[in-house]
Amino acid sequence: QKEVEQDPGPLSVPEGAIVSLNCTYSNSAFQYFMWYRQYSRKGPELLMYTYSSGNKEDGRFTAQVDKSSKYISLFIRDSQPSDSATYLCAMSAWKTSYDKVIFGPGTSLSVIP
Amino acid sequence: GAVVSQHPSRVICKSGTSVKIECRSLDFQATTMFWYRQFPKQSLMLMATSNEGSKATYEQGVEKDKFLINHASLTLSTLTVTSAHPEDSSFYICSASPWIEQFFGPGTRLTVL
Repeated sequence: QKEVEQDPGPLSVPEGAIVSLNCTYSNSAFQYFMWYRQYSRKGPELLMYTYSSGNKEDGRFTAQVDKSSKYISLFIRDSQPSDSATYLCAMSAWKTSYDKVIFGPGTSLSVIP
Repeated sequence: GAVVSQHPSRVICKSGTSVKIECRSLDFQATTMFWYRQFPKQSLMLMATSNEGSKATYEQGVEKDKFLINHASLTLSTLTVTSAHPEDSSFYICSASPWIEQFFGPGTRLTVL
């Protein structure tokens, strides 16, 4: 079992839809959770960063963490064609400087005008 | 804030030559920098982790004599692909981390003829 699993998609939605992107993980020590957006042929861009369980909202984006289920989500409201990209979840235990950030494989999202 | 630059953005070279890629954190000091490789439609593959002033830690299967990493300061890390071959053609991305979250550079597209 991989440490972080993510449905690769592709996920295609109409403009204005609510998008739900998810990751599951196996390491219960993870406590820092991040979402990145990567456009084609560009470096990933940090979207959201949360610690432990709970919700965090930033504009049209909401990140949720459920540590009991080892499940994290990113919701995008009122999706726009400019949201079309690959979304990567990432997480870390970060108890020591040797704890790495583990990335999911990414979900490809297309928002159709 | 949290801008990471990478240079060059694209390089084409002949087989057998060496190529140096620079990664700079422009507005923060990075205790740790990371180098990734990414193949088309695949996720990030961590190559090595470098801390300023110390030797890089390479991931299993990554040849340290082929991919030389120097982390000369808290804002600069370089990756040198030595004696490049066509199979080294890829998208190389660096990231810089002030603490846990990583901020990515725009990537370098390397093509070895």
